[in-house]
Amino acid sequence: DSGVTQTPKHLITATGQRVTLRCSPRSGDLSVYWYQQSLDQGLQFLIHYYNGEERAKGNILERFSAQQFPDLHSELNLSSLELGDSALYFCASSVTSGGHNEQFFGPGTRLTVL
Amino acid sequence: AQKITQTQPGMFVQEKEAVTLDCTYDTSDQSYGLFWYKQPSSGEMIFLIYQGSYDEQNATEGRYSLNFQKARKSANLVISASQLGDSAMYFCAMRLAFQAGSYQLTFGKGTKLSVIP
Repeated sequence: DSGVTQTPKHLITATGQRVTLRCSPRSGDLSVYWYQQSLDQGLQFLIHYYNGEERAKGNILERFSAQQFPDLHSELNLSSLELGDSALYFCASSVTSGGHNEQFFGPGTRLTVL
Repeated sequence: AQKITQTQPGMFVQEKEAVTLDCTYDTSDQSYGLFWYKQPSSGEMIFLIYQGSYDEQNATEGRYSLNFQKARKSANLVISASQLGDSAMYFCAMRLAFQAGSYQLTFGKGTKLSVIP
């Protein structure tokens, strides 16, 4: 158990809909990273938040947005969903204060868009 | 741009034997970190081992060791005494120096390891 929690574990929805994925980092971790794992694109970095502020954006679509709240949990919002958005979405947390800064991954949310 | 290459889509290894999973990387940065993660069929990503670009010794964590050859830009994972539970996807990843306050990871496409009893 990495200490990172993600809900829901599975999500099935239809094209055009909007969903929210939730992530709670490990206790004490200020950074939350979101990644998407799909069959064709592999594992891709989406966005990074540190202590409530957006720090970096990767290959994140404009239809996707995220935020990190004062209690440090984060939400990834996906709207106008398309079939190609079906993927496993991970969040990862890290300390970001020196050392290895290894990222500890949550169990992921598997999104299926029908 | 940084890139991670894992050239072995799938590997087989006999139980109790050692296996090496290949990883090469491309970056012009001098400061970077290399990671290996394991993803079992259940889907979670498990951190295995880390090597910093300035570390002089190869990293080891239990049965895992990282064969770091900086000049060749390779960071191969060696698993000794393979166990059935080692059957999984293995991902090599790189993070660059602290750019704009972020340490995002770039992943390779992974190697599927199957351990044969």
